[in-house]
Amino acid sequence: KQEVTQIPAALSVPEGENLVLNCSFTDSAIYNLQWFRQDPGKGLTSLLLIQSSQREQTSGRLNASLDKSSGRSTLYIAASQPGDSATYLCAVRFVGTYKYIFGTGTRLKVLA
Amino acid sequence: DTEVTQTPKHLVMGMTNKKSLKCEQHMGHRAMYWYKQKAKKPPELMFVYSYEKLSINESVPSRFSPECPNSSLLNLHLHALQPEDSALYLCASSQESVHEKLFFGSGTQLSVL
Repeated sequence: KQEVTQIPAALSVPEGENLVLNCSFTDSAIYNLQWFRQDPGKGLTSLLLIQSSQREQTSGRLNASLDKSSGRSTLYIAASQPGDSATYLCAVRFVGTYKYIFGTGTRLKVLA
Repeated sequence: DTEVTQTPKHLVMGMTNKKSLKCEQHMGHRAMYWYKQKAKKPPELMFVYSYEKLSINESVPSRFSPECPNSSLLNLHLHALQPEDSALYLCASSQESVHEKLFFGSGTQLSVL
């Protein structure tokens, strides 16, 4: 069964810390993986998209890596800020299916 | 324009009501999606339209009826819903290719009384 899991489920850090969010998936045959941010009661904002042939993508303070063979992706957030507080979701598009399968998310709180 | 617009933002309806959720995008995307999200859970796919034709229906009850009148619009018609259908309903769009990014709207928060 194709599944996506994220750990930790929740994380609380002081402002300024660098942090890593983890995403694991059960099948290495993927088209791509996308990281999203979601604020409470709001829609999802796309942060980074990594194709299966890529190792990492960067946008500002965010860096996402992909290790397809081990079924893992990490989202690195540098110098965290209170405005980064949100739920972060990874979603994987497995080969053979058109839909994205979402992980359960990591709820991040950055304390001022 | 990189937006997916959903209306209304909030909706309260009774179990005998009929209502519709609307979604619009002007990015030229030919794939459009409806997702349902319960509190503190990940989004769950309901329907996918590709080139205005329904391509995926994730065994959704018939009280939810999707419609894609043209390549920019996606509707979700609601009838005889149950309180457990209360959730955030999200619309998304993308280019047709499996390698393309998914863009989400801000959602409609639905409460069924």
